[in-house]
Amino acid sequence: NAGVMQNPRHLVRRRGQEARLRCSPMKGHSHVYWYRQLPEEGLKFMVYLQKENIIDESGMPKERFSAEFPKEGPSILRIQQVVRGDSAAYFCASSPERRNSYNEQFFGPGTRLTVL
Amino acid sequence: DQQVKQNSPSLSVQEGRISILNCDYTNSMFDYFLWYKKYPAEGPTFLISISSIKDKNEDGRFTVFLNKSAKHLSLHIVPSQPGDSAVYFCAASPRDQFYFGTGTSLTVIP
Repeated sequence: NAGVMQNPRHLVRRRGQEARLRCSPMKGHSHVYWYRQLPEEGLKFMVYLQKENIIDESGMPKERFSAEFPKEGPSILRIQQVVRGDSAAYFCASSPERRNSYNEQFFGPGTRLTVL
Repeated sequence: DQQVKQNSPSLSVQEGRISILNCDYTNSMFDYFLWYKKYPAEGPTFLISISSIKDKNEDGRFTVFLNKSAKHLSLHIVPSQPGDSAVYFCAASPRDQFYFGTGTSLTVIP
């Protein structure tokens, strides 16, 4: 059973370009979460999605960032017109269909974005 | 606004001794707490969790203690092993969204 997959593992972009980060959740998981880890900081929640729905995007910057989790295919975190401050590790996590109130989240290996 | 705090950025412990990692939170609505372990260039891996109805949960060498009145939890690793060297994040949740601390880097010295 493959774990959470993220690609690319490393992404280099110049200022002003677009970055697209992909996340395939574990098989059977329908909940996806995106986190960002800035240098010397902890993981910061960005957005929580279920298939075709954004449930909570309270951690997403208001501009340039968007996320989707289509019916088919991976979840995508899209950053438009990247700036140097977007350089960070972006982690995706997934959890199964909620059966009870508590679900641990399984993390992918992360995508390290570097903006030149 | 850091709702989950890990005030010790690093900790060094001798192999075989006990490692104690601490975590404080501010939101009394948090009712589920987890510890994750992270190696460099990898994603966090779930370690152990505890719900607010308990004050202790044990899994092998790992024990998590929860003090709700102090809004404090701790992770005990005993005996510590060199392979435990990693960054440990605590996380707290009111339900589906997790709030993470900034992590404590544990080094176990052989």
